[in-house]
Amino acid sequence: ILNVEQSPQSLHVQEGDSTNFTCSFPSSNFYALHWYRWETAKSPEALFVMTLNGDEKKKGRISATLNTKEGYSYLYIKGSQPEDSATYLCAFSDRGSTLGRLYFGRGTQLTVWP
Amino acid sequence: EAQVTQNPRYLITVTGKKLTVTCSQNMNHEYMSWYRQDPGLGLRQIYYSMNVEVTDKGDVPEGYKVSRKEKRNFPLILESPSPNQTSLYFCASSWDRTGNTYGYTFGSGTRLTVV
Repeated sequence: ILNVEQSPQSLHVQEGDSTNFTCSFPSSNFYALHWYRWETAKSPEALFVMTLNGDEKKKGRISATLNTKEGYSYLYIKGSQPEDSATYLCAFSDRGSTLGRLYFGRGTQLTVWP
Repeated sequence: EAQVTQNPRYLITVTGKKLTVTCSQNMNHEYMSWYRQDPGLGLRQIYYSMNVEVTDKGDVPEGYKVSRKEKRNFPLILESPSPNQTSLYFCASSWDRTGNTYGYTFGSGTRLTVV
């Protein structure tokens, strides 16, 4: 089982603040890195899938970067809004024997206060 | 609407009473998978299926069975549930195992309590 670490575990910010979280993963045999947004009482939804070192993806106020050589990805939220409150999951896959299988981190729980 | 449908959403059962959680997708996805979510842990894979009649174990398969007789359906079977199987369960599907095209599509979850 591959280890995927997310930090911080939880985060509380005021509306309008910008924030970022980290996902760390093994840097060898990288295949892909996924980010999901999981709102309470709903199901996780895919935000980004990144496969190349240096990839940057953006969707509205949310963006993500990828560094496969050092084994980390950042998720940024600019001008957080209460509706951004959710748990953000990252998932990693490698080129090993379980090619493409996703290993999930424990998530970062974001709460945005009005 | 493209979706993964899980049933039931909530289930309370007693130890040893066989149950099935259904999962169906309407996107013609080849890959389907079951996960469980427990407090303080990431999503852990139970079983997955690469296509019809092709299934394999994930990280935590003990106490579970699956079948994939049709492409759209991937039920999770607990032959003799025990309290340590109390958890939140998610079914997910994608075009392939990697999910690299659009990511995985998840069902709405099933919260199972075994007493």
